[in-house]
Order: sequence, then C-alpha cells, then structure tokens
Amino acid sequence: EDQVTQSPEALRLQEGESSSLNCSYTVSGLRGLFWYRQDPGKGPEFLFTLYSAGEEKEKERLKATLTKKESFLHITAPKPEDSATYLCAVREAGNMLTFGGGTRLMVKP
Amino acid sequence: EPEVTQTPSHQVTQMGQEVILRCVPISNHLYFYWYRQILGQKVEFLVSFYNNEISEKSEIFDDQFSVERPDGSNFTLKIRSTKLEDSAMYFCASRTATGGEKLFFGSGTQLSVL
Repeated sequence: EDQVTQSPEALRLQEGESSSLNCSYTVSGLRGLFWYRQDPGKGPEFLFTLYSAGEEKEKERLKATLTKKESFLHITAPKPEDSATYLCAVREAGNMLTFGGGTRLMVKP
Repeated sequence: EPEVTQTPSHQVTQMGQEVILRCVPISNHLYFYWYRQILGQKVEFLVSFYNNEISEKSEIFDDQFSVERPDGSNFTLKIRSTKLEDSAMYFCASRTATGGEKLFFGSGTQLSVL
C-alpha cells in the first residue's frame, strides 16, 4: 500500500482559477510533510514543511495545510508560471523522504 | 543563491559498465543524499550520508552501489555494474545541520543504460 498518494494526477486551470491539490498519507509517526515544486528536467525545489495537524504555511499564491491524514496545497489565482509538478513527501523516522507521485499542474493564460 | 551542482547532466553507458555520478553539494551543508526517479515514477530515496559515513540506505541501494566524499567538496555515487533497470534520473541533495528538512536538490544526471 502506498504511503503517500497525490490527487489529481494532472490538473488544468485557467489563469486566475483557484484550486487545491491533495496529498493523503498513511504513515504512523509523521515527522514532517513536505511540498516541493519540480519543473521539467530539474530537481525538486523546496516549498514548505508542515509538522503538526492544523499548521499552515503560505508563500505568494500558495498555501499548504495539514490534517492528521492529508495535506492540501491551495493555489490562489494561479499564473502560467505556476505550471509545474507539485510533489508531496513525508518523513517518518531517519533521514529519508517518501514521495508521492505528484500532481502535474498546467495553468493556461 | 548557492546550488547543488551535478555532472554530467546526461550519461549513456553499456550494461555491465561502471559509472560514477558526481555532485558538489552546497559548501556549508553537512547532510548529503542521493535520490532517483525512473521515468514516469516517483522520486525514490537511495542513501543518506553524514559525517563521512552512510546514515541510512534503502533496499534499492544494494552492493552494486557505493557513495564517497573523496574531498571536502565532492560527493559521488558509483554503480559498479549497471543494469538496464538502473536507467533513471539521479538527484543529489544536501542540507545544513540546522536547516530543518529543507533539502536542496541538484538538477540531476540522466543515466541511460543500453
């Protein structure tokens, strides 16, 4: 069973059309949930870390929230430059991150 | 902004050959990682390295893999005898000791095993 599941796999939005990306996780002892952005041919770029249910972080048009079972990445009034794959990852113990499959976001002008 | 540098960006090799993927982490970082991403699949953890030794490794990181920090700046991943299924994008990452979990990733080396 996958520990980290992201939905939808792909999302097409019009510029300015707000939406949310979901990350569900099933780890027992969460020590951090992470959001990364990945552009084609590039490595993941860090966005946020969330540690406990109820926590929220914001950066420009992005806002990440966390519950005991899932995290949402809310995108408000997206622009074409927000087009990328958004990755969610969790840390249980040790150093490793377990990644989800990502959501490929396309924002049309 | 400082960045993690990986070379080469693309590597093509024959099955059974040895390859070395090279990384220059950010200079004041102390934790180093290798991850890989097979085309169309998830990013997968391979190994973490701290204080000149492996601190954690995944099931993927078998005896064919090794890591080394030969000097104060480079961090390498060696695959001793490549297999077709080793074809993937390999990412190096690093972080500070006090930087929480903020990993900085390089742009990757695309390894193609023929």
